[in-house]
Amino acid sequence: GAVVSQHPSWVICKSGTSVKIECRSLDFQATTMFWYRQFPKQSLMLMATSNEGSKATYEQGVEKDKFLINHASLTLSTLTVTSAHPEDSSFYICSARYRDRNTGELFFGEGSRLTVL
Amino acid sequence: KQEVTQIPAALSVPEGENLVLNCSFTDSAIYNLQWFRQDPGKGLTSLLLIQSSQREQTSGRLNASLDKSSGRSTLYIAASQPGDSATYLCAVSSGYSTLTFGKGTMLLVSP
Repeated sequence: GAVVSQHPSWVICKSGTSVKIECRSLDFQATTMFWYRQFPKQSLMLMATSNEGSKATYEQGVEKDKFLINHASLTLSTLTVTSAHPEDSSFYICSARYRDRNTGELFFGEGSRLTVL
Repeated sequence: KQEVTQIPAALSVPEGENLVLNCSFTDSAIYNLQWFRQDPGKGLTSLLLIQSSQREQTSGRLNASLDKSSGRSTLYIAASQPGDSATYLCAVSSGYSTLTFGKGTMLLVSP
């Protein structure tokens, strides 16, 4: 149990295009999902917190118009990188928390590597 | 603001050795602490979760301890194997919210 799946696992796009990354909790419902960004040899940096049915909460310094987050259901959250530029190239990872558990344990997806040319 | 530090940044050991990875955090008011494993280019795999009221958790060859008052946690790996080679991340939750991550310890276990 507690499987989180991300798609695509890697994507290459041209500068100026938009890219959508999906995060799904496969065998549980997640009221809250989190999106992280990881640069090479660096730790994970939280970008935003996504709550089902409401607007995402963005961390300081993260442009909400640049990184659009939608949490349409209890099993799916999406991150759209709009008008991507080379500096947006990074490893994006999502995580999810069980709806009915209060342990606070988070489960992570496999990550999505974005390369913007 | 919570800060998490992991020492050492990198560790290389021969197969079979027991080893300890260290994690320290600045704010002792934590909800829980998690240890993760990350393989190159991959996501995170949860290894152990320690609630703030617990002192340790064990899973197979892994044992994690938590000393909340001193802001420290250790991950003990017994009888290391080449398959244990990965980056190990420590993360603390300061509420029923998100995690603050350390930069990780890159472990290499040589045959």
